[in-house]
Amino acid sequence: DAKTTQPTSMDCAEGRAANLPCNHSTISGNEYVYWYRQIHSQGPQYIIHGLKNNETNEMASLIITEDRKSSTLILPHATLRDTAVYYCIVRVADLIMIYNQGGKLIFGQGTELSVKP
Amino acid sequence: DTEVTQTPKHLVMGMTNKKSLKCEQHMGHRAMYWYKQKAKKPPELMFVYSYEKLSINESVPSRFSPECPNSSLLNLHLHALQPEDSALYLCASSPQGRPPGNTIYFGEGSWLTVV
Repeated sequence: DAKTTQPTSMDCAEGRAANLPCNHSTISGNEYVYWYRQIHSQGPQYIIHGLKNNETNEMASLIITEDRKSSTLILPHATLRDTAVYYCIVRVADLIMIYNQGGKLIFGQGTELSVKP
Repeated sequence: DTEVTQTPKHLVMGMTNKKSLKCEQHMGHRAMYWYKQKAKKPPELMFVYSYEKLSINESVPSRFSPECPNSSLLNLHLHALQPEDSALYLCASSPQGRPPGNTIYFGEGSWLTVV
């Protein structure tokens, strides 16, 4: 599994956009980028994922560079409830591996995002 | 409905006890996972079940014994644990198949304290 590198911590003002970067320079062609977050004392929550195109859903946007070596998660209007640890994860999309191994997620250290009033 | 239910939410056990953590999902997912998370650390994968068969054991000590009695249930049997096994134990499930159809969903976890 490709490794990811994220800043340890970031601050963001409430109401402003939070831009969380992730480097995944060793990503291979059959690997997706996934983002999860974990609010204190809760289970990780799925946010978004992408392969090579930019993606947007009701929670966030994901921008993936053309060479796929890095990505940015954007929370457009951060609120206090977005304070959490955000994990960028590279996940294999090979069907045989998935059927054998269930497409496991391997977590890195993540970014602790603090949204401040 | 993307709910994975874990019980109990909190468990305190002695080092000689035998206890079990339970996980249930009714989403028809055929892959289920156990993760362990220590304070201030990311979740670490322990076991993966695929179609009710154990497919990955990440060199977990034998005092942790997983069981998948059917496609909706996943248990983690605990015996002769050590205080350092105190952690948040997370269960997760996903459909089989390629993205975007195989997103993994997590339960809220079971907090385990070994005394």
